Order: sequence, then structure tokens, then C-alpha cells
Amino acid sequence: KNEVEQSPQNLTAQEGEFITINCSYSVGISALHWLQQHPGGGIVSLFMLSSGKKKHGRLIATINIQEKHSSLHITASHPRDSAVYICAVNKVGGSQGNLIFGKGTKLSVKP
Amino acid sequence: EPEVTQTPSHQVTQMGQEVILRCVPISNHLYFYWYRQILGQKVEFLVSFYNNEISEKSEIFDDQFSVERPDGSNFTLKIRSTKLEDSAMYFCASTEDSYYNEQFFGPGTRLTVL
Repeated sequence: KNEVEQSPQNLTAQEGEFITINCSYSVGISALHWLQQHPGGGIVSLFMLSSGKKKHGRLIATINIQEKHSSLHITASHPRDSAVYICAVNKVGGSQGNLIFGKGTKLSVKP
Repeated sequence: EPEVTQTPSHQVTQMGQEVILRCVPISNHLYFYWYRQILGQKVEFLVSFYNNEISEKSEIFDDQFSVERPDGSNFTLKIRSTKLEDSAMYFCASTEDSYYNEQFFGPGTRLTVL
């Protein structure tokens, strides 16, 4: 069983729509990361959070530690937001910073 | 803005050959990582490195793999005798002053083993 699960796997939206991507994890964590992987393959860190909520531009990330769940929201989506969004966690208990990754959510925003 | 760089962007090699993938982390960062992503699969941790030694390695990181920071700026991943299943995208990442910080990723090296 994967320790980090994301849903949906694939998401198609119209430009301007509000988008939510979900991440659930089954292990104790010290932090959760949201990453964006561009079509060319490069990975960019969007957020790192261990509690509450963070906002950057049109992106909002929330985490509920008790429920072991995080969401990434994109407001007013745009075709340039099309990418794979990856949830990853730092696992508590000896892991020297290594991240455990979800399989990613492929987002396609149509004009 | 400082960034992690990786060379080459694409490496093609024959099975059994040795390859060295190179990374230049952000200059004031102290913690370094290698990850790989087989086509169509999720990213997987290979190894973390701090203070000139391996901190942690995954089951994937067997005796065929080694890492080195030869000169204080480069961080290399060597695969001694490549196998077909080593074909993947390899990402280097670094963090500034703790394992539990935001990780900055390089653009990746696509390794193709024929």
C-alpha cells in the first residue's frame, strides 16, 4: 500500500475554474511538500507545510494533521498551470530528509 | 535566483558501462539528495548526503551506486555497471541547513541504457 495517495490521478479543467487536488498519507510526518513537475520533467517546490495553510499567488495549500490529509487549491486556473502536481512527505522516525512521493496528479487546463 | 544545475541533460549509454551524473547544488546548501523517476512512475529516493558522507540510502541504492562531493561544489552519482532498468530521470536536490527544509531540485538527467 502506498504511504502517500493522491486524488484524482488526472484532472481536466476549463480556464478559470477552481481546482482542488487531494493528498492523504498513512504515516507520521514532520512536513508535507507540494511539488510541480513540468512537462519537460523539471520539479519545482511549491509549498512545504507542517500545519495550517499557506498561500502563494493563486495557489493555496492546507493540511489537517489529525486527518492526515492535505489539499492543494488553484484559483482562477490557467493553461500554464498544466503540469503534474506531486505530494511528498518527510516521514517521522529516522528518515534523513528523504521524501516519500505520491504518484502525482496530472492537471490539464483548457483555454 | 540560485538554482541547482545538472549535467548532462540526457545521457545514453550501453548496458554494463559506467556513468557519472553531475550536480551543482546551491552554493550555501549543506544537504544533498539523489532521486530517480522511471518513466510513468513516481519519484523515488535514492540517497541523502551531508558532511561528506551518506546519511541514508534506499534499497535501490545498492553497491552499483556511489555518490561523491569531489571538490566542494559538484555532487556526483556514479552507476558502475548500468542495467536496462537504470533507465530513468535522475534528480539532484539540496536543502540549506536541515533535512526538513524545502528541497530545491535540479532539472534532471535523463539516463537511457541500451
